[in-house]
Amino acid sequence: ILNVEQSPQSLHVQEGDSTNFTCSFPSSNFYALHWYRWETAKSPEALFVMTLNGDEKKKGRISATLNTKEGYSYLYIKGSQPEDSATYLCALWDMRFGAGTRLTVKP
Amino acid sequence: NAGVMQNPRHLVRRRGQEARLRCSPMKGHSHVYWYRQLPEEGLKFMVYLQKENIIDESGMPKERFSAEFPKEGPSILRIQQVVRGDSAAYFCASSPLSGRTGNTIYFGEGSWLTVV
Repeated sequence: ILNVEQSPQSLHVQEGDSTNFTCSFPSSNFYALHWYRWETAKSPEALFVMTLNGDEKKKGRISATLNTKEGYSYLYIKGSQPEDSATYLCALWDMRFGAGTRLTVKP
Repeated sequence: NAGVMQNPRHLVRRRGQEARLRCSPMKGHSHVYWYRQLPEEGLKFMVYLQKENIIDESGMPKERFSAEFPKEGPSILRIQQVVRGDSAAYFCASSPLSGRTGNTIYFGEGSWLTVV
């Protein structure tokens, strides 16, 4: 079982703030890391799949980086909006998700 | 291409009854994952199946829970003799290949089980 840890557990920011959070994982035998966005009462939605050390992916105001040697990935949100409020989950290739970071963006 | 279909969306069972939750993966997907979301908790892995095979069931409770993904038809998560603590949202996800290939998994909308 591959344990991923996410921090912080929750985050409250003001609209317009930029923010970031972390997914940490064991650095050995890496294959892939997934980021998902999960809004309340909806199903998780894929954001990024990252497979190579140094990967950087971007979708609109959201971007992610990957460091497989030190075992972490960062998710960045630039200029947060209230609609970004959600729980952000990461998982390794075994698809066991971390506890998530719950982001609340206040107008 | 229809997404992952789960049914029923809502299910109410009395304590001691059986609950069956169905998941039809996306077309062409032969890998299925089941997750449980307990109130105020995250998404907990339960089981990973390929057609006709259970690959990893290490997240399944030892008793009363079982899962299958037959050659034909949907994947079924079966909970026997339900108890109040089984009340949760159960999510299914599917992918065309295993997670090691970096394939995205796609989630259904979930089945909400309430045990009364």
